[in-house]
Amino acid sequence: AQRVTQPEKLLSVFKGAPVELKCNYSYSGSPELFWYVQYSRQRLQLLLRHISRESIKGFTADLNKGETSFHLKKPFAQEEDSAMYYCALTGYALNFGKGTSLLVTP
Amino acid sequence: DVKVTQSSRYLVKRTGEKVFLECVQDMDHENMFWYRQDPGLGLRLIYFSYDVKMKEKGDIPEGYSVSREKKERFSLILESASTNQTSMYLCASSSPSDRWDTEAFFGQGTRLTVV
Repeated sequence: AQRVTQPEKLLSVFKGAPVELKCNYSYSGSPELFWYVQYSRQRLQLLLRHISRESIKGFTADLNKGETSFHLKKPFAQEEDSAMYYCALTGYALNFGKGTSLLVTP
Repeated sequence: DVKVTQSSRYLVKRTGEKVFLECVQDMDHENMFWYRQDPGLGLRLIYFSYDVKMKEKGDIPEGYSVSREKKERFSLILESASTNQTSMYLCASSSPSDRWDTEAFFGQGTRLTVV
């Protein structure tokens, strides 16, 4: 079975502070992992994927197979980063975690 | 600009009604998905399809069925709507067929209220 766990429902940080959104997964095969984001009143959209190893909007995520984690990080949070973030795993179809609501306050 | 379009933004139905949620994509994608999105529960996969007339159950298929008669259209059917099916429903598509490691594109969502 495949499972994605996002332990934090809500994460509140001040503007300029570092932010880390946690994601752990369980999957018996070789996973493909993603972060999707949903800004207020917008569609859910891809933020980044681990195979691309890219930084999008200052966010990065590293796949740690030993810890089965794919945490999303940004060194300096901005108010426009406030959104709902979902970690997703593809093994069979596309499965999402429960999401973390990030609130960046001035 | 890629597009996944859900036929209704808001829908109110009565308990016991048969409800159809429609989703159309214009990207020639083989894979299509239906999720429901609930606060605290995230996105839960109801059904998905990787080809015309093919369908696979997701994690919560009970009370739902789907139809994929044409490549661009994926319909979610609530055979007899119940109040616990009140939710936001999201449709998504991706390509190629039977591969899940590519970007999924989402519709704007249909907020269904069953009264």
